[in-house]
Amino acid sequence: GESVGLHLPTLSVQEGDNSIINCAYSNSASDYFIWYKQESGKGPQFIIDIRSNMDKRQGQRVTVLLNKTVKHLSLQIAATQPGDSAVYFCAEANQAGTALIFGKGTTLSVSS
Amino acid sequence: GAVVSQHPSRVICKSGTSVKIECRSLDFQATTMFWYRQFPKQSLMLMATSNEGSKATYEQGVEKDKFLINHASLTLSTLTVTSAHPEDSSFYICSARRSRETQYFGPGTRLLVL
Repeated sequence: GESVGLHLPTLSVQEGDNSIINCAYSNSASDYFIWYKQESGKGPQFIIDIRSNMDKRQGQRVTVLLNKTVKHLSLQIAATQPGDSAVYFCAEANQAGTALIFGKGTTLSVSS
Repeated sequence: GAVVSQHPSRVICKSGTSVKIECRSLDFQATTMFWYRQFPKQSLMLMATSNEGSKATYEQGVEKDKFLINHASLTLSTLTVTSAHPEDSSFYICSARRSRETQYFGPGTRLLVL
């Protein structure tokens, strides 16, 4: 079936460390992937996206890597800050391109 | 960036009443909006796709008579939870699609049914 999942439900890091959040997807036909950040009581906030014709994309302090061979997606956050503490979801555009399928989420906790 | 608003942000109601949640795209026209539901510490679950001027498409397991969706204009979609019960208590989030892939999410509506 079509599903997107994350490897770890929680990740704890120290301020200044680099964080890596992973996601595995099962639908090889998906061609667009997005990472969202969700703070408590708020809606998801777009972080970065990547299309299937790319394997890496960089933003400000964030990098998304896509490995289509093993259907794996990762989000790297450089110099993690306390304000990065949130739940991170990966999502994929389904075959019809009409709705996003969300993974289970990883809770990132950053300690000072 | 694009802004999507939801109203109300929080609602508490008695069991058996109906609750309407509004989702508005403030600076772009959205022919398609989506409604998601999120339980505590869980992911977002797509409930339905709302298309302007036509009937909503509901995901499997979502009761269309329970969750009424109206997308009357290019900037407004409403979700009405009819005869709400405590098990309907959840965080409801809408999103508006600006392009094939780009979706902007609203801030969510917390519903508590007593």
